[in-house]
Amino acid sequence: QVQLQQSGPGLVRPSQTLSLTCVISGDSVSSDNAAWNWIRQSPSRGLEWLGRTFYRSKWNTGYAESVKSRITINPDPSKNQFSLQMNSVTPEDTAVYYCVRSYNGDLDYWGQGTLVTVSS
Amino acid sequence: QSVLTQAPSASGTPGQRVTISCSGSASNIGRNTMSWFQQLPGTAPKLLIYNNNQRPSGVPDRFSGSKSGTSASLAISGLQSEDEADYYCAAWDGSLNGWVFGGGTKLTVL
Repeated sequence: QVQLQQSGPGLVRPSQTLSLTCVISGDSVSSDNAAWNWIRQSPSRGLEWLGRTFYRSKWNTGYAESVKSRITINPDPSKNQFSLQMNSVTPEDTAVYYCVRSYNGDLDYWGQGTLVTVSS
Repeated sequence: QSVLTQAPSASGTPGQRVTISCSGSASNIGRNTMSWFQQLPGTAPKLLIYNNNQRPSGVPDRFSGSKSGTSASLAISGLQSEDEADYYCAAWDGSLNGWVFGGGTKLTVL
């Protein structure tokens, strides 16, 4: 059974950097069949895919155009986890953030979600 | 504004059959498989249907999915009170190179 356990602060100041980590159990971040995604959800923007990292002979990443200039998703095989960093946050980045596995093209396992509020 | 289009609400009475629709375009639903998620209040979305019409283990066969062209549907038969939730459609978009979602349909069991 795959489990994704998220951690990170629930409050970030405007213009600062949002950092979240997702620890994987029951699978490997280096899996040839999986990709590791970050998705957020807010009342104003709904569900929004932010980006992903995956290993296919080498590490790959892909980001949504809307946040591409501000985010980095990094795998950490030594800890079997991956992370999200989003810089220059504004109140519009307030949302519940989820880490999600995609396996053979399906978003099948979700983390518990982290409410991140951007406020001074 | 979500890339995939869903009606914001739907309703039905216990035992009824309800259908939730999702429309997209050639770059997402037209070219890739469809997924549906159920989200109960305060919880993460749960995969309900994948690969257009497949159910993960544990999902009742009351839930079924279909796809035609650039549209897809989720049908729930024998509606139960615990089916009251938000339902989202999703697909990979080959033009955007990312996952896209519907805005969600809030299902009320009357």
